[in-house]
Amino acid sequence: DIQMTQSPSSLSASVGDRVTITCRASQSINNFLNWYQQKPGKAPDLLIYAASTLQTGAPSRFSGSGSGTDFTLTISSLQPEDFATYYCQQSYGFPRTFGQGTKLEI
Amino acid sequence: QVQLQQWGAGLLKPSETLSLTCAVYGGSFSGYFWSWIRQPPGKGLEWIGEINHSGSTNYNPSLESRVTISVDSSKNQFSLDLTSVTAADTAIYYCARGTGTIPGTFYYLDAWGKGTTVTVSS
Repeated sequence: DIQMTQSPSSLSASVGDRVTITCRASQSINNFLNWYQQKPGKAPDLLIYAASTLQTGAPSRFSGSGSGTDFTLTISSLQPEDFATYYCQQSYGFPRTFGQGTKLEI
Repeated sequence: QVQLQQWGAGLLKPSETLSLTCAVYGGSFSGYFWSWIRQPPGKGLEWIGEINHSGSTNYNPSLESRVTISVDSSKNQFSLDLTSVTAADTAIYYCARGTGTIPGTFYYLDAWGKGTTVTVSS
């Protein structure tokens, strides 16, 4: 299995901050990397696919970058609704593994 | 706007079979991977497996011996069966739509059901 490791596991930030979350794959996955946002009690929501393509409807303050084994999700200016848990997922191989999540707290 | 509506038994005893169904409304049923993902209480997401409209499946090897995902294209529904459940299978189970069935396109989960809480307890 391809292991996905996110860092940090939790992060405290304030409204207006610029935040970066990292996801590292145990082997090269090219750019087969997705990012999801999950709010408490809700299903995850797709933010970014193919490492850097913003899903339709996702706010432009979210951006993704990376290729190979190292990827980042950046929120340029945190908004109150962005406090949630973020997951990366690789789609290069089976099983389609997720990172353990990064909880973004106020 | 596609919607996924899921249902199934929420309380099981150890050794029983978990059965969930997900119905797809408002979108094409062909051309996607219909997927199941679970989330134990307070933990992260685990991909269980997927099926396309013609019945071709991919499973997580960690669950493959106990999992069956099936499809009823006439009803735009797909189902999950997980046999011999234990307390470790207690989780919220999500159905979701996956893209990327066409070679060279990217896979991602772009529509999700609301989740079904399944508890395994004697």
